[in-house]
Amino acid sequence: DTEVTQTPKHLVMGMTNKKSLKCEQHMGHRAMYWYKQKAKKPPELMFVYSYEKLSINESVPSRFSPECPNSSLLNLHLHALQPEDSALYLCASSQERGQHSTDTQYFGPGTRLTVL
Amino acid sequence: AQSVTQPDIHITVSEGASLELRCNYSYGATPYLFWYVQSPGQGLQLLLKYFSGDTLVQGIKGFEAEFKRSQSSFNLRKPSVHWSDAAEYFCAVVLSGGYQKVTFGTGTKLQVIP
Repeated sequence: DTEVTQTPKHLVMGMTNKKSLKCEQHMGHRAMYWYKQKAKKPPELMFVYSYEKLSINESVPSRFSPECPNSSLLNLHLHALQPEDSALYLCASSQERGQHSTDTQYFGPGTRLTVL
Repeated sequence: AQSVTQPDIHITVSEGASLELRCNYSYGATPYLFWYVQSPGQGLQLLLKYFSGDTLVQGIKGFEAEFKRSQSSFNLRKPSVHWSDAAEYFCAVVLSGGYQKVTFGTGTKLQVIP
């Protein structure tokens, strides 16, 4: 089973709202990722968690706050977003075999976020 | 810095025709290469990957890709396209040993006509 699930599928929020995106995998993967994808563009890496610790933050604004409560779950907390943050947010996971190996990333279906 | 180029933004083929999507990478080291497909509004599905070994890689849905080091290319092929193959295709590269950071190409949108 190579399934990554994401909820909700769609989210509409105002600029003053606080909301969260959720990602879950049960493949025993220890690396999890958040990507942002604007229309007609490739995904852009936002955050990487390795063994529940934040290992990469691609200079993402603080209005995006990731959280990895356990090895299966990854959240993205949203607060005071701007309309330009509207995008498809993709979660991915991979095995984590160490710094000198590369593991395939498996993607979830994404959450379509609209900020009004 | 590593980069991936997909020269074709949009390709149209007839159903049943053969397909080749181009991917070139710019890299000094040995890359790990992937092809992903994305249907409208969906996540990315892995089609195939190349890490080492045989340079012709078989993937799902009848796709294959060939790694050519001399041309820095990793082109995706399918001998006979089905209407359900219409989607966006992304080539991606990871620096070997530099785990986790995936660089995606800009994508090629495939349209299939009857």
